[in-house]
Amino acid sequence: GQNIDQPTEMTATEGAIVQINCTYQTSGFNGLFWYQQHAGEAPTFLSYNVLDGLEEKGRFSSFLSRSKGYSYLLLKELQMKDSASYLCAVFYNTDKLIFGTGTRLQVFP
Amino acid sequence: SAVISQKPSRDICQRGTSLTIQCQVDSQVTMMFWYRQQPGQSLTLIATANQGSEATYESGFVIDKFPISRPNLTFSTLTVSNMSPEDSSIYLCSVAPGLAFNNEQFFGPGTRLTVL
Repeated sequence: GQNIDQPTEMTATEGAIVQINCTYQTSGFNGLFWYQQHAGEAPTFLSYNVLDGLEEKGRFSSFLSRSKGYSYLLLKELQMKDSASYLCAVFYNTDKLIFGTGTRLQVFP
Repeated sequence: SAVISQKPSRDICQRGTSLTIQCQVDSQVTMMFWYRQQPGQSLTLIATANQGSEATYESGFVIDKFPISRPNLTFSTLTVSNMSPEDSSIYLCSVAPGLAFNNEQFFGPGTRLTVL
């Protein structure tokens, strides 16, 4: 099977920067997504990386290294509303999106 | 984007019964997926619902327990059969409209199932 690993929980303070890492198996890789999920809600799309490098979108950036099977999501200028679970998901060659374990981020004032 | 609705939004069921969850999309999509999210956990793919053919199930999930229908390109159902408390979970329908949307997958609001 495909293992996609993330830290289980992270904490940070308002205004800070936090980096959430994700490692995955590279065989059949077709792209990597980051989703945000607030408690009791469906996941919402944050970013998509298919090539190596950094994709920036406002306060959120996502980085990918395909050779290393590694990605991170960078959140800047943290706000209280950023408290949520962040899900790394990999698109494999069977056209299935497989999710990692998820990282629960708690932002403190 | 694709707008997805699910019915019911939540239900409380007795052990041994079955529940059918409906998923409706506002546009035609080739690929529809069913996920399960157990309390405090991430999403686990149950199966891919293919229009005009049988669903493709992931390891650990079988058709007898989770029969799926996909009668057309905008609708699918997932049935949770002979339920036990271990089936208590959120069930999410998801669609992938394709390359035009950067392969993004959209998710329905989920069905929260509690089995007593």
